[in-house]
Formats: sequence, C-alpha cells, structure tokens
Amino acid sequence: QVQLQESGPGLVKPSETLSLSCTVSGGSITNTGHYWGWIRQSPGKGLEWIGIVYYNGDSYYNPSLKSRVSISVDTPKNQFSLRLNSVTAADTALYYCAREQKQLAPGAFDSWGQGILVTVSS
Amino acid sequence: DIQMTQSPSFLSASVGDRVTITCRTSQSVENLLNWYQQKPGKAPKLLIYEASSLHGGVPSRFSGSGSGTEFTLTISSLQPEDFATYSCQQSYSTLFTFGPGTKVDIK
Repeated sequence: QVQLQESGPGLVKPSETLSLSCTVSGGSITNTGHYWGWIRQSPGKGLEWIGIVYYNGDSYYNPSLKSRVSISVDTPKNQFSLRLNSVTAADTALYYCAREQKQLAPGAFDSWGQGILVTVSS
Repeated sequence: DIQMTQSPSFLSASVGDRVTITCRTSQSVENLLNWYQQKPGKAPKLLIYEASSLHGGVPSRFSGSGSGTEFTLTISSLQPEDFATYSCQQSYSTLFTFGPGTKVDIK
C-alpha cells in the first residue's frame, strides 16, 4: 500500500519561497499509471488543486498559481516537491501531497499524505 | 474554470438515515466527477470516481450517480463513522476543482 509523507518548514516569511517535499513509500514514483500532485486547504475552506507532475517531469498547474509555482520530481529519492514563490498570508494552508490515478480513475486522488500546515507570517 | 456547488452545505441526520448530497458543475463534466470524505484533522479519502464507481474498500452503502452537470452522492444507511464532510471534484478540465463541501452532522 503506497504511503505519502509531506515534509518542510511550517513557517514561511511573506515574499519568501515555500518549499515542501513528499516522500512516496510502498510504491515507485516512476509508475506510469500515476501523476503526483499537491492540493491545499485554507483554514475552514475547501480544497484547492495546485498542480501535478509525472515521473518524467511533465507538469500541470492551477492557472491562478502558475506564475509562482513549480512541482518537480526526484526519482532516485522517490520524492516530488513543491515550490511556491512570493508567498503571502493568503498562502497559509494545510498542504497535501497526493497520488492521482492517471489511467484507472483519471483525475481522482486515491492516496493522500497526512498534510502539513504552512503558515505565512513574519 | 469550472465552478462547483454543493447542496446542502450542512446536513443533520441520524444513524440509519438515507442521505443524499448534490453536486452541480457550471458546465458539463461528462462523468468525470469524484467524491471524497474528510474527517476533522484527516486527509480526504476517495469514495467514488467517475461519478458512480466505488473506490476499493469503500462500503457499498455509498453510491454515486449523475452525469453532465448534476451529480448525487447517496449514503443508504448512515453509520456513526460516516459523520464527516463530503466534497466533490471534477476532473474533466485540466484545472481540477473541488466543491465547497457538505458537512454531515449528528442530529
């Protein structure tokens, strides 16, 4: 059973870069049947899709964040990472990494990390 | 962007009740609509994908239906562990969007 675990700083200063990693265990990130993605949830609000990456580096982003976001993959470490530049208080959220079923259930996220709370504050 | 709405936003029900939640999309998403359950402090769990397919390990009391712009999630007999927030998500467009959620609480 695949497991995902987010890691990174829980506090980021305004205008700086938020960097998070997601370690995948129990399965390979190079599995051709999956994308790997980031989703966030602001306090008391709904879920917001940030973007996804394929093992070969192909990526797709939420247009509202596209100018500030990049998602990359590190296949030797079986990890993928999120970078979000120029953060503001509006980026304070619980950040989840998740696995998307590319073939069996396109667009559905069937495995999630536990989430990591990132607060943007000076 | 494809906009998502859910109704009701809050639902109070008793154990054993039949519960129905509706999700509407601003344009057709064909059958590319997924449902998630989320409990406080936990990550969402996939329940239903492609509008009506039950994800592995999900109890059969959960079912989904619909196509186009209107979808429903039904819990045939509400169990104590089902009190949670339920969200829909469209995967028709490259920009995936989620509904605002429906909180199911104990009456």
